[in-house]
Amino acid sequence: GENVEQHPSTLSVQEGDSAVIKCTYSDSASNYFPWYKQELGKRPQLIIDIRSNVGEKKDQRIAVTLNKTAKHFSLHITETQPEDSAVYFCAAGGGSYIPTFGRGTSLIVHP
Amino acid sequence: DAGVIQSPRHEVTEMGQEVTLRCKPISGHNSLFWYRQTMMRGLELLIYFNNNVPIDDSGMPEDRFSAKMPNASFSTLKIQPSEPRDSAVYFCASSFRVFGQGLISNQPQHFGDGTRLSIL
Repeated sequence: GENVEQHPSTLSVQEGDSAVIKCTYSDSASNYFPWYKQELGKRPQLIIDIRSNVGEKKDQRIAVTLNKTAKHFSLHITETQPEDSAVYFCAAGGGSYIPTFGRGTSLIVHP
Repeated sequence: DAGVIQSPRHEVTEMGQEVTLRCKPISGHNSLFWYRQTMMRGLELLIYFNNNVPIDDSGMPEDRFSAKMPNASFSTLKIQPSEPRDSAVYFCASSFRVFGQGLISNQPQHFGDGTRLSIL
C-alpha cells in the first residue's frame, strides 16, 4: 500500500516569513495529492490539491509543487500570518481512492 | 450545502457501554469514510464505503467496532463494548468518486466537525 512521510512535524516561523512542508510517497500509481488544514478543535479542510498531470499549482499565498520522478510534493506558504497557524496534512491517493495521510505538521506563526 | 453532519459532537460514557456515532454525508456524494484521530496515531482510516457498500474495513481496530451504511444519506459507527483506549475524535468524510479511468477519479474529501469521544 501507499506510505506517506511528512516533514517537519513542527515548524515555527515569524510572521511574514515563508513556510515549506514536504511529503514523500511510495506508490507510483498515486495521482492525487490534496493538502488539508486543521485548526485547533476543528475539522480538516482542503486548502489546495494537485493532480499528477501538473507540476505546480498556486492559490494566492499558497502553492503546491509535485515531483513525480522523486515521488515528493511540497506545500509553500508565503507571507505567513498568525491565522495560518494550524496542523497541515498531506495525502496521496491513486486509483483505489483510499488516500493515505501524512502525520501532520504543526505550523506556528509568531506575530 | 449543509456539509457533512455528525452527531453527537461530544460523547462521554463509561467503559463497557455501547457508543453509536452518526454521520450524514453531503447529498450526491457516493463515498464515505470514517476516521479516528489521536495525538499518538494521527489520522487513521477505519472504513470506507462506496455506494453504501463497505469496500475496505482493514483499519477497523477489532470486532468491537462495526459500521453500517443503510442508505446513501446515513452511516453509523458503533463501538460495543467501549474501552478507555477508544477515546479519540472520530471524523466522517464524504466525497464524490468519478468512476472509470483517468486523472479525475479522485476528488477531495469533505470532513464533518467530528465527535469527541471520551470513555471513562
